[in-house]
Amino acid sequence: SQQGEEDPQALSIQEGENATMNCSYKTSINNLQWYRQNSGRGLVHLILIRSNEREKHSGRLRVTLDTSKKSSSLLITASRAADTASYFCATATLGGYQKVTFGIGTKLQVIP
Amino acid sequence: NAGVTQTPKFQVLKTGQSMTLQCAQDMNHNSMYWYRQDPGMGLRLIYYSASEGTTDKGEVPNGYNVSRLNKREFSLRLESAAPSQTSVYFCASSEVRGRTNEQYFGPGTRLTVT
Repeated sequence: SQQGEEDPQALSIQEGENATMNCSYKTSINNLQWYRQNSGRGLVHLILIRSNEREKHSGRLRVTLDTSKKSSSLLITASRAADTASYFCATATLGGYQKVTFGIGTKLQVIP
Repeated sequence: NAGVTQTPKFQVLKTGQSMTLQCAQDMNHNSMYWYRQDPGMGLRLIYYSASEGTTDKGEVPNGYNVSRLNKREFSLRLESAAPSQTSVYFCASSEVRGRTNEQYFGPGTRLTVT
């Protein structure tokens, strides 16, 4: 069963706009991660936020975590055509870091 | 460093045939994973190996077997392929350290079972 659910499932924006993707999960977590997948490729890790953190930045990426609402958001600022990809959240649940559970992803299209 | 490599990249099998997907990592990671990715389903964990010599079932292990050959290599075997196993298979590795466990993925194997 999926732990995380991304919203929206698809998003289309113009280059230069900001893109926001949301992830909701069901059980308490140790950390939450975001990954990117370009078409036909493997996933690439973007950013990890721990359960005791509320916000984290990495370049044009900003991730927030609200454990009371069991949700996270990924903001990509000043989007570029190269940001076109699918984005997945993944959670490591309490009880271990050996496994993460992935959501079904948000497909982002950035139009030049 | 090559990171995580997978072979083959593409494979077509007939129902009932068997095959082994190979995965190797050169990052000295302890943990390795096999996932399958189907449209609209995200990634689902088939099996994982927390360390050399151990393997555990994930969410969808039926129809698969795995072998952690050594620290570098983790193979996935389909003994009798079924059309429901048509999917893209990804291998990943990670080093669980402190409270971080980000995973590194291979390029995937596209498997079609007819």
